[in-house]
Amino acid sequence: GAVVSQHPSRVICKSGTSVKIECRSLDFQATTMFWYRQFPKQSLMLMATSNEGSKATYEQGVEKDKFLINHASLTLSTLTVTSAHPEDSSFYICSARDVAGGTPYEQYFGPGTRLTVT
Amino acid sequence: AQSVTQPDIHITVSEGASLELRCNYSYGATPYLFWYVQSPGQGLQLLLKYFSGDTLVQGIKGFEAEFKRSQSSFNLRKPSVHWSDAAEYFCAVGGDTGGFKTIFGAGTRLFVKA
Repeated sequence: GAVVSQHPSRVICKSGTSVKIECRSLDFQATTMFWYRQFPKQSLMLMATSNEGSKATYEQGVEKDKFLINHASLTLSTLTVTSAHPEDSSFYICSARDVAGGTPYEQYFGPGTRLTVT
Repeated sequence: AQSVTQPDIHITVSEGASLELRCNYSYGATPYLFWYVQSPGQGLQLLLKYFSGDTLVQGIKGFEAEFKRSQSSFNLRKPSVHWSDAAEYFCAVGGDTGGFKTIFGAGTRLFVKA
């Protein structure tokens, strides 16, 4: 099956620093990837849609200058949390669509990245 | 507007008893429906999905779900719950509308008592 990885799985950073999270589709090409944020005991909230070779589309209320998304290849999307603050601490999950091998409506999810900002 | 409602925030079931988790959706086009399970601190695992065809779908771990278009529902069931089923369950809907986004419900936390 389609596999999506995320790196790192956990990261702790100091307030004011930036942190980059990688999302990779390991065995398929993903023209579209999605980034979600999940606070403790809450559901997944879509932050942005990442399209290969073009600018990401952000959901309403998500600061695009704070959460920089780059989708430079068909297998890699990155989320950079800039000038992180404690309120950015959360579980970040990415997903990818395998348009060629699967259905366009199914997303394959990565294992998530736990970000803690101290 | 597209949305998913999971009316039960948490449910407690005795081990060996049957389980039904409710899910209602609102979607402007043909819905593609999913159930995911998430253990604490872990990612999502797909239990089952419905795209078309038979409205009763079988998934992994003994779960099944039934799509009822007239009720806009996609309830998840299991005939006999195991202690290892304790987790958070998310219902989700996706499709052609809105750039193939998947919309998640708020989740239902399942507790299993011995």
